[in-house]
Amino acid sequence: GAVVSQHPSWVICKSGTSVKIECRSLDFQATTMFWYRQFPKQSLMLMATSNEGSKATYEQGVEKDKFLINHASLTLSTLTVTSAHPEDSSFYICSAPKPRGGPNEQYFGPGTRLTVT
Amino acid sequence: QQQVKQSPQSLIVQKGGISIINCAYENTAFDYFPWYQQFPGKGPALLIAIRPDVSEKKEGRFTISFNKSAKQFSLHIMDSQPGDSATYFCAASNQAGTALIFGKGTTLSVSS
Repeated sequence: GAVVSQHPSWVICKSGTSVKIECRSLDFQATTMFWYRQFPKQSLMLMATSNEGSKATYEQGVEKDKFLINHASLTLSTLTVTSAHPEDSSFYICSAPKPRGGPNEQYFGPGTRLTVT
Repeated sequence: QQQVKQSPQSLIVQKGGISIINCAYENTAFDYFPWYQQFPGKGPALLIAIRPDVSEKKEGRFTISFNKSAKQFSLHIMDSQPGDSATYFCAASNQAGTALIFGKGTTLSVSS
């Protein structure tokens, strides 16, 4: 079946540096992808909607200049955390709507654990 | 404003018992209600989903009950097993292609 992958699965970076996370739809095209952030023992909170060929839409309170999203192709969206700080340490998860699926079935990636030291 | 309220926060069930998790929503425009299972360090996986035109859906040991008038839906796990120990999230959305809105999650522990 269709799969969404993320890379890397785990990354450690130093405070002040930037880190890029990739989200790929492996055998289907996704004009839209969603980026969520999940802190320990908490729920998934939508950060932004990534749209192929256009600007991402950010949720209230999410800094668009800090969390750069690029959806350059129909199978790849990237999230770049710029000038990362320890409070950005979290589990980042992407999802993509299942093509020709149910009303809103979504495939979720395996997540990327970001630790900022 | 929390649009999907989930309870309980945690649940302990004996092996073979029934686990019940409840969710309530506010937006009457929601038309898709999935339940996700998540293990530590993994992404969420779709367990079962329902649309508001049916009151119940069953897949194996998992059943969703839906009450449109009360704006509530619940997940029942029959014959709960230790392998079911995970965090469960209810979610909702109001149209295809939009992001899901998640409840806060329920941590289920099934004792053997």
